[in-house]
Amino acid sequence: QVQLVESGGGVVQPGGSLRLSCAVSGFSFSNYGMHWVRQAPGKGLEWVAAILSDGSNKYYADSLKGRFTISRDNSKKMLYLQMNRLSDEDTAVYFCSTDGGMGKLDYWGQGTLVTVSP
Amino acid sequence: DIQMTQSPSTLSASVGDRVTITCRASQSISSWLAWYQQKPGKAPKLLIYKASTLESGVPSRFSGSGSGTEFTLTISSLQPDDLATYYCQQYNNYSWTFGQGTKVEIK
Repeated sequence: QVQLVESGGGVVQPGGSLRLSCAVSGFSFSNYGMHWVRQAPGKGLEWVAAILSDGSNKYYADSLKGRFTISRDNSKKMLYLQMNRLSDEDTAVYFCSTDGGMGKLDYWGQGTLVTVSP
Repeated sequence: DIQMTQSPSTLSASVGDRVTITCRASQSISSWLAWYQQKPGKAPKLLIYKASTLESGVPSRFSGSGSGTEFTLTISSLQPDDLATYYCQQYNNYSWTFGQGTKVEIK
């Protein structure tokens, strides 16, 4: 069955960097676009970034101001999110999800928690 | 960016009640609207896409309608398992946005 497993979260100081990973299995990864979505503690969902199936195009939420980079390695079935110049506003659970077409995000991982704290 | 506004933010209803959640887009998104259910501590679950198409395996008491800027999610007969927060999400021109969520409580 489809599985998405995020990793790489943890505690990081303000101004620091972190790279999240998402390992996928159970479907043909190279045929699907992918997303990162985050959720701050007690808050709603916020779309972060998307990447097309072949990695040729990437899209980001305007609020990120160029600090985050989404990438993928289809040979390893891995999705990544490089996060730089982190601030306390980036504290959140980060989810990876599949793009099922027609605008929907159909499969989700369990999330990984990023905490930005001095 | 397209903004999505859900109402109400919270609703309390009894088991068996019909429940309706509204989602409004700041500009027309045709039918590119999805609904998700999120239970505490869990990942979101896709319920409906393209405004009214029920995802496979989702109970038929859930339905969606609307197009353009106004959309609704209806639970025809609320069940205890429906305790959750519900989010709408739009897709337009390689940008995705979620509504702020509607928390459904059981009376």
